[in-house]
Amino acid sequence: AQSVAQPEDQVNVAEGNPLTVKCTYSVSGNPYLFWYVQYPNRGLQFLLKYITGDNLVKGSYGFEAEFNKSQTSFHLKKPSALVSDSALYFCAVGGISGTYKYIFGTGTRLKVLA
Amino acid sequence: DTAVSQTPKYLVTQMGNDKSIKCEQNLGHDTMYWYKQDSKKFLKIMFSYNNKELIINETVPNRFSPKSPDKAHLNLHINSLELGDSAVYFCASSPWAVAGSVQYFGPGTRLTVT
Repeated sequence: AQSVAQPEDQVNVAEGNPLTVKCTYSVSGNPYLFWYVQYPNRGLQFLLKYITGDNLVKGSYGFEAEFNKSQTSFHLKKPSALVSDSALYFCAVGGISGTYKYIFGTGTRLKVLA
Repeated sequence: DTAVSQTPKYLVTQMGNDKSIKCEQNLGHDTMYWYKQDSKKFLKIMFSYNNKELIINETVPNRFSPKSPDKAHLNLHINSLELGDSAVYFCASSPWAVAGSVQYFGPGTRLTVT
């Protein structure tokens, strides 16, 4: 079965420290991978995506993600966390079974402590 | 200008009632979606339309009926509301119905069934 896993419900990090939010996937074929962020009482906002090419993808607000085919992972990273980065982060895989459908992970709440 | 808008933002109603949620996008996109986000923040696709045609129809009770009068609008009608329908419903749109397409989300409609 095709799936996306975000193993951590919550990640706490001190402001100024690097952050990593983990995502692993299990899909057949080449995946289309996305990260979205959800602030309280808001809809999801696109951060970045991987389709093909360079394994390190840069996105909005200083975020980047590394695609690792052998580990089937697409971890979200930022070199220096800000308190304003605190939000719910979703990993998603698109192109499921040749369709336009996304599967979203269960979300990871990031808390950046001042 | 709001890209993807939903009305109403909040909806409180009693079991057994029928209600509708409206969605409009002014991005000129071809594809629109309805998602349900439950109390644990798990996000699941319900329906997708491409140019007014239904292209994704997940396992959703047939009390839920989407309608797309034109490609800028996708409404969701729910009959005989049940307690388990309480959730946040998100509308989204994307430029095309292709696997790598970024989705743009509305602010959500919080439905509470009492």
